[in-house]
Amino acid sequence: AQSVSQHNHHVILSEAASLELGCNYSYGGTVNLFWYVQYPGQHLQLLLKYFSGDPLVKGIKGFEAEFIKSKFSFNLRKPSVQWSDTAEYFCAVNAGNQGGKLIFGQGTELSVKP
Amino acid sequence: SQTIHQWPATLVQPVGSPLSLECTVEGTSNPNLYWYRQAAGRGLQLLFYSVGIGQISSEVPQNLSASRPQDRQFILSSKKLLLSDSGFYLCAWSVGTRGEAFFGQGTRLTVV
Repeated sequence: AQSVSQHNHHVILSEAASLELGCNYSYGGTVNLFWYVQYPGQHLQLLLKYFSGDPLVKGIKGFEAEFIKSKFSFNLRKPSVQWSDTAEYFCAVNAGNQGGKLIFGQGTELSVKP
Repeated sequence: SQTIHQWPATLVQPVGSPLSLECTVEGTSNPNLYWYRQAAGRGLQLLFYSVGIGQISSEVPQNLSASRPQDRQFILSSKKLLLSDSGFYLCAWSVGTRGEAFFGQGTRLTVV
């Protein structure tokens, strides 16, 4: 069955540090990939998405993610985090042959120290 | 523009009581609709997925059921709640087959 793994459950960084959150999935065919963010007390929001084309995608608030097909990965990056980036981050995958079905990873809680 | 409404925001129910959570979407037609449960450290677990009226896919065997009586209405139900049904329930919608989903505010269910 299709699955999504996020390796880091809780990441603690200081402001201005660089961020990379790992995401791997277990489906070998065409995929659509997403990162969602949930700020404290708020609903889930789409951070960025990959459907096709350039494997390096840019999202809101300076985030980017790189799709590496050979590694089944879609890691999220930000060169310099801010305190306001404190949130929970979720990777999600839609397998191309399963309609709109969307499977999420376990989530990574990011805490940024001012 | 499209909006999603999910209610109630919080709910406290006794063990053995029934449950009905409602979700409606406005501003789009024939959406895909989802129910997820969010638990700390476990991410979002897909419970039910629907591509159309009366078409429900159950992803995880459990004490819950879902129905889609209208195109933009999705209901999560239980006949008898268990303590283990406590959690944060999220409704979401998407269109097409790419899976780009938009979420409601969620319902915090506590079974006591």
